[in-house]
Amino acid sequence: EAQVTQNPRYLITVTGKKLTVTCSQNMNHEYMSWYRQDPGLGLRQIYYSMNVEVTDKGDVPEGYKVSRKEKRNFPLILESPSPNQTSLYFCASRSNGQGGLPQHFGDGTRLSIL
Amino acid sequence: GNSVTQMEGPVTLSEEAFLTINCTYTATGYPSLFWYVQYPGEGLQLLLKATKADDKGSNKGFEATYRKETTSFHLEKGSVQVSDSAVYFCALSSRTGNQFYFGTGTSLTVIP
Repeated sequence: EAQVTQNPRYLITVTGKKLTVTCSQNMNHEYMSWYRQDPGLGLRQIYYSMNVEVTDKGDVPEGYKVSRKEKRNFPLILESPSPNQTSLYFCASRSNGQGGLPQHFGDGTRLSIL
Repeated sequence: GNSVTQMEGPVTLSEEAFLTINCTYTATGYPSLFWYVQYPGEGLQLLLKATKADDKGSNKGFEATYRKETTSFHLEKGSVQVSDSAVYFCALSSRTGNQFYFGTGTSLTVIP
C-alpha cells in the first residue's frame, strides 16, 4: 500500500530537549515536504526537498532542520524546541514534475512542547 | 507573493443542500490549484485539482473551476451528504511546483 508514515503520532516534551520526527514514503517519490498546521493559519510549509541531498526553506523554517540522506526518508529535527512549536505536523511526498502533481500526506504528528 | 484566501467557517448544512466554499488566490505566474479534504485524525487527501485557466476539476460530486480573471477556485457540490463532513483546504502550488500555499481551511458539518 502506497503511504507516507510519520512517527511518533503524538509527543509531549519539554523546552530545549532535542527531538526528531521521522517521515518515510514507499512510493519512490523525489519530492518531500514538511508542514505545520495551526488553527486559523492553515498549513504552512517548513522545508521541502527535491531529491537526495537537496533541501530548501519553505515559509516558516526558523527553529527546524531537515536532512535527506535517502530518497525514502525526510526527518524533521527540532534542535531546541520551544512552546511556539507546539503544533500538528504533516509530511508529504510526490513525484517531481510540473506543479500539477498532487502530494500524498502522512497522518500527522501532534507535538506539545511544555 | 503567493497566498490563498478561503471562506471562513464553520459551515453547517442539512443533507442534500447545495455547498459552495469560496477560494481566491494571489500568485505570480500560473499556479496549479487544489482542493484537499481532511477527515478527523487523518492527513489531507486530494479532492480535485486544476492546472490551467478554465480547467474544471471534479471528483465525488465536487467541482471547482480555475478562473484566472477572478483569481478564484470555488468548491461546489450540488447535494451534500453526512459523509462529506470534514475540513476542506484550498491550495496552490508555485509555478515550479516546489512551494505550496494553503488556505486556513473550512470546516463543514452536514446534519441529517
